[in-house]
This record gives sequence, structure tokens and C-alpha cells, in this order.
Amino acid sequence: DVKVTQSSRYLVKRTGEKVFLECVQDMDHENMFWYRQDPGLGLRLIYFSYDVKMKEKGDIPEGYSVSREKKERFSLILESASTNQTSMYLCASSLWVSGDTEAFFGQGTRLTVV
Amino acid sequence: GENVEQHPSTLSVQEGDSAVIKCTYSDSASNYFPWYKQELGKRPQLIIDIRSNVGEKKDQRIAVTLNKTAKHFSLHITETQPEDSAVYFCAARSGGGADGLTFGKGTHLIIQP
Repeated sequence: DVKVTQSSRYLVKRTGEKVFLECVQDMDHENMFWYRQDPGLGLRLIYFSYDVKMKEKGDIPEGYSVSREKKERFSLILESASTNQTSMYLCASSLWVSGDTEAFFGQGTRLTVV
Repeated sequence: GENVEQHPSTLSVQEGDSAVIKCTYSDSASNYFPWYKQELGKRPQLIIDIRSNVGEKKDQRIAVTLNKTAKHFSLHITETQPEDSAVYFCAARSGGGADGLTFGKGTHLIIQP
């Protein structure tokens, strides 16, 4: 059974802080993704990675960066947290197989920036 | 890039009736269309998916149809039950296996007893 684990369920950070959100998957998936989920906006892709040290911008990368030093771990970094980054963050992983494979999601991290 | 529109945003049906959620997409190269169900406080889970070479797929009470010409796809749930209450997201993927999914904004399905 695929397991995608995010390090925190809830986080409260101050404006201007550097924030790290960690995600680990245990199924040797090549692809990993970070989404944010906001009411009425659905899930929006921030960044994705298809291999170690490889990353691509998604639809809303501004204010975020990522790190993938190991295949199983994908980190989302908020360089200087702002209140408009208060959101639910979801990590996902999938196999690299012709684009038609299921993405498995972590349980989410609800980040509040005050 | 891809753009996915989903309707309605909220859908209330009587228990036992059918529910239909519709999505349109913009990128004709999209070839994979999954549907996710997210219960309150839980992660999204895949419930059914369809590929671009198939027009319809069914799994018990759930079915998905795809019209590539019109670039729309729909989720059909028959004989709805209270446990079907959730938010449903459609999504589309274009390009190769590394591309992220583009999601619709979600439909809150409410099953009335």
C-alpha cells in the first residue's frame, strides 16, 4: 500500500519566517508534486519533480521553492512566509508511466501564517 | 497550459437518486482523466479514471464518460448513498508522465436522507 507522509498536520508560522514542509513516499515513485488547496479554487500545482535534483514549476510557483535531494523526499520551502500562503498543502507521488497513473496524496499540512 | 472547468460547485441529491458532475478541459493533448473523492478532513483518493482511447468506464455505481471531440468528461454516481457525500475533483493530465494534474475546483456532493 502506497504511503505518502507529510511531516506535520498543522503548522502556525509568523510572517517572514522560512518554512519547510516535508514529504516522504515509500513506493519508489519517480514523480512527486506539491499542491495547495483553497476553498473554491481546487488543487493548484506549485512544483513537481520527476527525478532527484530535478524540478519544474507548476501553475503557482511564486514565493515557493523545492528540494529533492533523495528520491523518496520532496520538500516545499516558503522563503519568507506571507499571510496569503495560509492554505492546505498536499504532497503527491506517482510512477512515471506514460502519464496515465494514479497520484497518491499525503494527508495534508494546514499552514497558518500570522 | 491546461485549464479544467468543473460544474456544479455544489450538488444536493436525494439518497437513491443519481448524481452527475461535469468537467471540460482545454488542452486537446490531454490523455488521462482521473476523478478524486475527498471526504472531510481526509486526503483525496482516486475513485475512477479514464484514458483518452476509451469513451466510457464503469465500476459498480460509478461511471465516467469522455467525449474527446467536445473535450468534456463526466462522473455519474447511481443509487447514491450517505457515504457518497464528499468533495469530488476532476483532473486532466497532458504530456508525459512527469506532468502534474490540473484539477477542477471541486464539487461538494450532498446526499439528502
